[in-house]
Amino acid sequence: DTAVSQTPKYLVTQMGNDKSIKCEQNLGHDTMYWYKQDSKKFLKIMFSYNNKELIINETVPNRFSPKSPDKAHLNLHINSLELGDSAVYFCASSRGTEAFFGQGTRLTVV
Amino acid sequence: AQSVAQPEDQVNVAEGNPLTVKCTYSVSGNPYLFWYVQYPNRGLQFLLKYITGDNLVKGSYGFEAEFNKSQTSFHLKKPSALVSDSALYFCAVTPQRGATNKLIFGTGTLLAVQP
Repeated sequence: DTAVSQTPKYLVTQMGNDKSIKCEQNLGHDTMYWYKQDSKKFLKIMFSYNNKELIINETVPNRFSPKSPDKAHLNLHINSLELGDSAVYFCASSRGTEAFFGQGTRLTVV
Repeated sequence: AQSVAQPEDQVNVAEGNPLTVKCTYSVSGNPYLFWYVQYPNRGLQFLLKYITGDNLVKGSYGFEAEFNKSQTSFHLKKPSALVSDSALYFCAVTPQRGATNKLIFGTGTLLAVQP
């Protein structure tokens, strides 16, 4: 059983397109996150949801819109994709201290 | 500004030798501290954490880390390195205790263990 699962694992798309990445956790955690890892492997938080409510929204362009239909899911929708959006996006969840991460979605914008 | 520093981009060690991956932090208060490992094309895996209590914490795969409040450090250690330990290691902190909604990561240290 995969604790935090993301789909798709790889996503290649053209500039200007709109795409979504899905995330599901079966750990019963209350809090979910999206992190972005750039080409230099630097990790930075983008969003955090707690019980379906937005808690953290870092300085992310409003082309990025997270949606949490329920506590177990946090999807990331990206409008008008740009070359600079190319990165690996990680979903995570937590209850308490440590966070558990998904395997990542490698987004390549061409 | 809150930050985590991993001063070494890469650490090279021979198999069987002890290893240390350094981490210092600049965060107000008493944060939670973590180490994560990332294998190639994989997600991050939790290794260990410091919350409170004994300054030496033990984690997965024989790793341990020592919390030093006066030096604001949380170095990762292992007595005897394995080739399979080769991976990218991230130190992370939460800005304040209980605020587990945000992890601040260091820039990562690539550990290369030579046979």
